[in-house]
Amino acid sequence: ETVMTQSPATLSVSPGERATLSCWASQSVSTNLAWYQLKPGQTPRLLIYGASSRATAIPARFSGSGSGTEFTLTITSLQSEDFAVYSCQQYNNWPVTFGQGTKVEIK
Amino acid sequence: EVQLVQSGAEVKKPGETLKISCQGSRNIFTGYWIGWVRQMPGQGLEWMGMVFHGDSDTRYSPSFEGQVTMSADRSVTTIYLQWSSLKASDTAVYYCARHVASGNYYYMDVWGEGTKVTVSS
Repeated sequence: ETVMTQSPATLSVSPGERATLSCWASQSVSTNLAWYQLKPGQTPRLLIYGASSRATAIPARFSGSGSGTEFTLTITSLQSEDFAVYSCQQYNNWPVTFGQGTKVEIK
Repeated sequence: EVQLVQSGAEVKKPGETLKISCQGSRNIFTGYWIGWVRQMPGQGLEWMGMVFHGDSDTRYSPSFEGQVTMSADRSVTTIYLQWSSLKASDTAVYYCARHVASGNYYYMDVWGEGTKVTVSS
């Protein structure tokens, strides 16, 4: 199966700063990659699909890029509600697989 | 509002059976696969499998094939995830999620709030 590796495991960022999260695939997933935001006790939220398309109602400060095996999620000007865990998911190869997540915490 | 509503938290003993549910409006289910994702304590998400609500067709991840059973009840727009003999390692939060076909497979655009399952003697 395709192994998704996220880096770093934890990212400490001050409010208003930029966060850059990475996701690597063990084999090509083309642009069939999604990003999700997870918060304890809340419903997971789809942020990005197709590597770079924002989902409905997702603010423009979230952007995704990459193709093949290397992907990036960028959050510009972090807001208080953005401190969470972010997980990437590939849906190019069977079975679909997720990364282990990057926790974005307040610095 | 488009949403999936899951059944409540469960505390079970090893060897017991369990069936958890995920209910949605008819619109949210029609034409979509609805699947299950596991999150074990302190771990990432794991895709388990999915059910096509229209005809109850199922697809399982190889890691979960034979370990769980997924099903659907069209009359009440509900899908289910069940175990015949729970193990302590089944302790996790289980999310249901609507699958959107894209590229070769699926991403998930609407999620339930999760059902926490604790298996302990």
